[in-house]
Amino acid sequence: DQQVKQNSPSLSVQEGRISILNCDYTNSMFDYFLWYKKYPAEGPTFLISISSIKDKNEDGRFTVFLNKSAKHLSLHIVPSQPGDSAVYFCAASPRAGGTSYGKLTFGQGTILTVHP
Amino acid sequence: EAGVVQSPRYKIIEKKQPVAFWCNPISGHNTLYWYLQNLGQGPELLIRYENEEAVDDSQLPKDRFSAERLKGVDSTLKIQPAELGDSAVYLCASSPGLAGAQETQYFGPGTRLLVL
Repeated sequence: DQQVKQNSPSLSVQEGRISILNCDYTNSMFDYFLWYKKYPAEGPTFLISISSIKDKNEDGRFTVFLNKSAKHLSLHIVPSQPGDSAVYFCAASPRAGGTSYGKLTFGQGTILTVHP
Repeated sequence: EAGVVQSPRYKIIEKKQPVAFWCNPISGHNTLYWYLQNLGQGPELLIRYENEEAVDDSQLPKDRFSAERLKGVDSTLKIQPAELGDSAVYLCASSPGLAGAQETQYFGPGTRLLVL
């Protein structure tokens, strides 16, 4: 049972354009969501997060949108740069106090390629 | 500030041999996590420590895997004996460990294990 899904294995974008990466989840207990970027032979690097009390969080070129009713979040990168080429993982964490608190559930990842 | 440190970065062993991975979290981080990442998948939690206590080890295959964090700082994950299916990347992460707060987890570079 895949509780966090990234349905697009890959995405190709031209430099300067917008990249939109999508993520769906099924567990209504999730209330904290994160995006990580991963380069080959490195560990995941934290990018941006959002709490379920918000529907948008912005940090420079990166914006995460959360649609709780649709159980969907997306990461927008604008403008995209060749250095953004990496694997992007979304992850979700249940609300504090439960036995699974602190356990991140990851999607399968989306390979983003930004062409010059 | 130094990030999460893991060693070794790569390990090749024959099946049925033991293997150990070491992790030193970010200074001051009380919570430590071990994740397993198979090729083409997102990381999956194996065990979570709060200080020296393993508070979630439900996903750790206890017949062959063991972990310890004796002084609440660095940690060791061991596999004995290793099987072919254990070939994967083993990631360590840490977070501050503030009670009741949703936290960002910061990952180390991982140990890539190949079992022959």
